Amino acid sequence: NAGVTQTPKFQVLKTGQSMTLQCAQDMNHEYMSWYRQDPGMGLRLIHYSVGAGITDQGEVPNGYNVSRSTTEDFPLRLLSAAPSQTSVYFCASSSNLRRASGNTIYFGEGSWLTVV
Amino acid sequence: GNSVTQMEGPVTLSEEAFLTINCTYTATGYPSLFWYVQYPGEGLQLLLKATKADDKGSNKGFEATYRKETTSFHLEKGSVQVSDSAVYFCALITGYSTLTFGKGTMLLVSP
Repeated sequence: NAGVTQTPKFQVLKTGQSMTLQCAQDMNHEYMSWYRQDPGMGLRLIHYSVGAGITDQGEVPNGYNVSRSTTEDFPLRLLSAAPSQTSVYFCASSSNLRRASGNTIYFGEGSWLTVV
Repeated sequence: GNSVTQMEGPVTLSEEAFLTINCTYTATGYPSLFWYVQYPGEGLQLLLKATKADDKGSNKGFEATYRKETTSFHLEKGSVQVSDSAVYFCALITGYSTLTFGKGTMLLVSP
């Protein structure tokens, strides 16, 4: 059982380049989301999805694009990378936590992105 | 909107000392509350959670009680170890299963 898989783990980009962070889960979860982690800021929500074909913005969506064509995959696209997007990115997935108190949110291992 | 406030770190303790990391929250509705831990260079791990008022979450010697009257979810451990050195995040969830995190508290435990 792979859980939540993120790739790549490390990436260096030049300003203006585009790239996609991949996220896949094999637990048939409805909910998927992307967070970024910055020093002293905790984790902040970028985008989330409540099911295939449905996405919405989080707290810090500017400069990022997402799509959810399948239940399993939720890629995060950086359209034109900027140094301010240097961060650690985490993908997460869960079933509807309101339906069963035993459920939890599963995180990927993180993607370290540097924009120079 | 939702928000989580944690005490600022770093918290520096000697091994076997008592640990408290304060966490208070503001939320609409009835949130579920979580503590996550992040060891150096690693991702996030769920440490414990509580889903309703007066619930106590516990794991690996850590405990936290969901206090609705004080909107708090303080993390405690009776005797910390060097291996507990990490960053601890308090978080809450409402609505669409997305988390609102505090800024994190670094814990440093010395032998």
